[in-house]
Amino acid sequence: SQQGEEDPQALSIQEGENATMNCSYKTSINNLQWYRQNSGRGLVHLILIRSNEREKHSGRLRVTLDTSKKSSSLLITASRAADTASYFCATDSQGGSEKLVFGKGTKLTVNP
Amino acid sequence: ETGVTQSPTHLIKTRGQQVTLRCSSQSGHNTVSWYQQALGQGPQFIFQYYREEENGRGNFPPRFSGLQFPNYSSELNVNALELDDSALYLCASSLDGFGYTFGSGTRLTVV
Repeated sequence: SQQGEEDPQALSIQEGENATMNCSYKTSINNLQWYRQNSGRGLVHLILIRSNEREKHSGRLRVTLDTSKKSSSLLITASRAADTASYFCATDSQGGSEKLVFGKGTKLTVNP
Repeated sequence: ETGVTQSPTHLIKTRGQQVTLRCSSQSGHNTVSWYQQALGQGPQFIFQYYREEENGRGNFPPRFSGLQFPNYSSELNVNALELDDSALYLCASSLDGFGYTFGSGTRLTVV
C-alpha cells in the first residue's frame, strides 16, 4: 500500500515560475526523500531530510518537513522545461529499514 | 564507480509464462531492493536482499521470488505471469540499507 499522497497529482506551470509539491504520510518516519522520474525511467534521488530537520536546501530545491502534521513540501524555484518529470516522496520508518514507501507522485509539466 | 544496471530494458511475455529480471548493484553496495511500479502509481516494495538473504518482503505473492549472488547482483523471478504484473520493475542498491541508487528499470508487458 502507498504510504501517503502527493498533492497535487498534476501541476502545469510556465518556465521561470516556482513549483510546490506536497507529500503527506501516515506513520512515524526516520527520514523522507524526494525522487524525480522522467517518463517511466529510473528514479533519481534529489534530496533527503531527516526527521529532526525542518528545512533543507539543494540548489533550486527547498524541502520542508513537518513531523507533527506528517507532511513535507518540495519547492523548485525558477523552474525550467527540463524540470518536467514526476516527483515522488518516499519514507523509511527506521534506520536501515528494509523498504522505502512511496507516494503516488506529482506530474510536473513546465511549459517553455 | 558504476551505477545500477538492469536488464533487459523491455520485455514482453505471455500470461502464464515465467520471467527473470536482472540487476547489477552499484560498486560497494551490499543490499538490493526490488520495486514494482504500475502505470501512474508510485513504486511498491517487493523485497530486499542483504548479503544473499531476503531481508524484508512487501505484499507480493510467493510467485515473486529473488536471489542475490556473492557479487551482490540480484535476480527477480516471477512465475505464472498475470496481466496485472505488467509494470516497470525497479532495482535499487545501497550499502547496509542507506543511500539508495536506482536503476533505469525493466518494462515488463504481459499479454
